[in-house]
Amino acid sequence: RKEVEQDPGPFNVPEGATVAFNCTYSNSASQSFFWYRQDCRKEPKLLMSVYSSGNEDGRFTAQLNRASQYISLLIRDSKLSDSATYLCVVKGYSSASKIIFGSGTRLSIRP
Amino acid sequence: NAGVTQTPKFRILKIGQSMTLQCTQDMNHNYMYWYRQDPGMGLKLIYYSVGAGITDKGEVPNGYNVSRSTTEDFPLRLELAAPSQTSVYFCASSYVGVFSNTEAFFGQGTRLTVV
Repeated sequence: RKEVEQDPGPFNVPEGATVAFNCTYSNSASQSFFWYRQDCRKEPKLLMSVYSSGNEDGRFTAQLNRASQYISLLIRDSKLSDSATYLCVVKGYSSASKIIFGSGTRLSIRP
Repeated sequence: NAGVTQTPKFRILKIGQSMTLQCTQDMNHNYMYWYRQDPGMGLKLIYYSVGAGITDKGEVPNGYNVSRSTTEDFPLRLELAAPSQTSVYFCASSYVGVFSNTEAFFGQGTRLTVV
């Protein structure tokens, strides 16, 4: 089983729609969680960290479910500019833990 | 701040040639990583380092070597290049403290083609 798994998509939704992605992780000791965004042929960039109580940044909401070992990203009122690949990222607790990226979910917003 | 700088941006290698991908960060980050990303795929961890003098294998280390003699630099060496190593290579760095949530900063990538 992969350490971090995501639905690869692609998700193709109309502008203005709400879309949600899930990501599951296998290591129950994982402590830090992030969503990154990657545009075509560009490097990944941090979208938002994911906190235990859930957090929101504008149209984006991230949730963490430790019991079921998944994190989610909800995008409301989607814009054309939201078209990208969204990467789930997990890191363990110890200082020697490496950062593991999921393989990404492709999102395409259509007019 | 320059952040994470990778060189070269593009390179074409012949089968069997060797090369070093350079990565430098100026953020005093302790952790550094090398990932490869094949077309339409996610990032796969090649090697990582938790500090100067310490490196460890990731998911796909075969065919690569790394060193970390300084905090700033984390070069990736390809020996005997093969077509399967055609990919985009990303270097990243982060600061990891015991109680900190960390963000990884990426370089712009090196697009390598082996022919």
